[in-house]
Formats: sequence, structure tokens, C-alpha cells
Amino acid sequence: AQTVTQSQPEMSVQEAETVTLSCTYDTSESDYYLFWYKQPPSRQMILVIRQEAYKQQNATENRFSVNFQKAAKSFSLKISDSQLGDAAMYFCAYRSAYSGNTPLVFGKGTRLSVIA
Amino acid sequence: DAGVIQSPRHEVTEMGQEVTLRCKPISGHDYLFWYRQTMMRGLELLIYFNNNVPIDDSGMPEDRFSAKMPNASFSTLKIQPSEPRDSAVYFCASGDGDREETQYFGPGTRLLVL
Repeated sequence: AQTVTQSQPEMSVQEAETVTLSCTYDTSESDYYLFWYKQPPSRQMILVIRQEAYKQQNATENRFSVNFQKAAKSFSLKISDSQLGDAAMYFCAYRSAYSGNTPLVFGKGTRLSVIA
Repeated sequence: DAGVIQSPRHEVTEMGQEVTLRCKPISGHDYLFWYRQTMMRGLELLIYFNNNVPIDDSGMPEDRFSAKMPNASFSTLKIQPSEPRDSAVYFCASGDGDREETQYFGPGTRLLVL
């Protein structure tokens, strides 16, 4: 079974600074997707960024980018120019790419605080 | 599109009562997932459907939980009888299998069983 580990239960960053959230995963599969979801206090799950395992290029979405190291099974999220609205729980998630839209496996999450 | 719709948003009930959570997926999506979020266990899959057929219900805690998807636009998750340990946030998510992309989550139902 696949597992996702987020080793940082809490992180903090000064407004306008950069922060990196860590995620590692374990799988024997070669084809899969990785995601970062944001969960603000409203509890809505918001997709931040997605990475396909077969793509070597790291995904980028505006101020959010990932460092995907397939051999190391590492998938970190970098938030640049942090804003107060970035404060939330962040979940790393894995999904197999086989047989359609398979369930997500989540890490335990990292709570990010942004200091003004 | 209105996104995934869940109702109710909040539910407070007493132990032993029946609870029914509802979900309307995004139109055109053929996959539907029910997840549960608790402090102790985090986010975990309960069950998922493809074309209204349950594919994997191994995450359903016990016989007190049941889920149905009578048509492509509606699903229910029922707990009978409810217990305090069922208190959690229940999320419904839907996805497009053809594109094999991501899943889109509803706002969740916050359940409190007293």
C-alpha cells in the first residue's frame, strides 16, 4: 500500500518570505500523480498544484512550485512571497495513475502560519 | 459549474440516531468518493463509486455505515446507529475518469454525535 509522510506538523513564515513544505511517499508503482491541497479554516479542500510522475519538469502555479525527486520519492512544495491568505493546513496526496480516477492517499498535513 | 454540493453542512445528533449525508457531484464526472477527516486518523477514504457502482468500500468502518449512488447526480452516506466516535468532517469528491486528473471536493459535512 502507498503511504504519504509529512514530517513537519507545523511551519511558520514571515509575510513575503519563502517557505518549503516537505513530503515523502512510498510506492512500488511507476505511474502516479502527486498533489498538494490547501485547507483553510473553512475546511474546504483546495487543489494547489499537481505533478505527473512521468514528467521530469517540476510543476509551477504562480507563487507555488514543487521540487519533485522521483528517485528519492520526495515532493516538496515551495511557496514564494508568502501572503496572509496562505495560512492553512497543507496536505500532500498521492494517487495511482492506473485504472481511472483512483482514491487519494493523504499525508497528515502541515499547518502553515504566516506572520505579518 | 456549481462544484460538488454537500448537505447538510453541519449536523448535530444524539447517539443512536440515524444520520444521512448527501452529495451531488459535478455534472459529467463518473467517479465519486467519500472521505472522512478526523484528528486521529486524518483524511481517509471510506468508499468510492465509478458509474454509480461501488468499487472499493474497504474503508467503511463497519456495518453501521452504508453508501448508495442511485444515479449519476446523487449519493448518500448513512450512519445507523450513530456513535460519538463518528464525529468528523465527511467530504464528498468527484472526478473525471477519462482525463484521469484530479478530484474536486465538496465543502464537507461537519458531524457531531453527542
